[in-house]
Amino acid sequence: DGGITQSPKYLFRKEGQNVTLSCEQNLNHDAMYWYRQDPGQGLRLIYYSQIVNDFQKGDIAEGYSVSREKKESFPLTVTSAQKNPTAFYLCASRGIFRGNEQFFGPGTRLTVL
Amino acid sequence: QKEVEQDPGPLSVPEGAIVSLNCTYSNSAFQYFMWYRQYSRKGPELLMYTYSSGNKEDGRFTAQVDKSSKYISLFIRDSQPSDSATYLCAMSDNQAGTALIFGKGTTLSVSS
Repeated sequence: DGGITQSPKYLFRKEGQNVTLSCEQNLNHDAMYWYRQDPGQGLRLIYYSQIVNDFQKGDIAEGYSVSREKKESFPLTVTSAQKNPTAFYLCASRGIFRGNEQFFGPGTRLTVL
Repeated sequence: QKEVEQDPGPLSVPEGAIVSLNCTYSNSAFQYFMWYRQYSRKGPELLMYTYSSGNKEDGRFTAQVDKSSKYISLFIRDSQPSDSATYLCAMSDNQAGTALIFGKGTTLSVSS
């Protein structure tokens, strides 16, 4: 089955720790995105990548880092510099020759203890 | 003024009702319009996708875009309890690869 997977589903972090969220897709999509969702805030763009080894900051990139070494994978690291990391994180992808619709993974819920 | 405005609700309707969900936007460059459905603690699921103006129908769902008014709508006919979810509108301009701009979502509850 083609799709986007995110792991883990739930993640707990102590203050001061870095954590990495996984996002993998087997849709052969070129572009991948990371969003953060907070209650009442909608989805906000953290980082996106349109091609391997290239990525751009979104609206709220501070305290986050990404890499894009493979087309299928776009991991997100939440660093200790992120002041309020507790949120629902969503990964999405888009085929480069399609319209601009994006397809989402199931999400990772990160909680800082 | 925010780029995309969406009434958060909650909106409560009885089973079988016709539901109307709406978003307004300010950026006249937006050309791609989408509606996503999100169940609690799940990722958004693409429901409808429209390019430029006009209507699109898929089963019980109809999406409308009025670019002159900068207004988009999603209609759900014969609503079912399984339609209870948060509905997010999203849009983008015509540049390839550009990120989507989302509304904050409207929470819908359909009672049986």
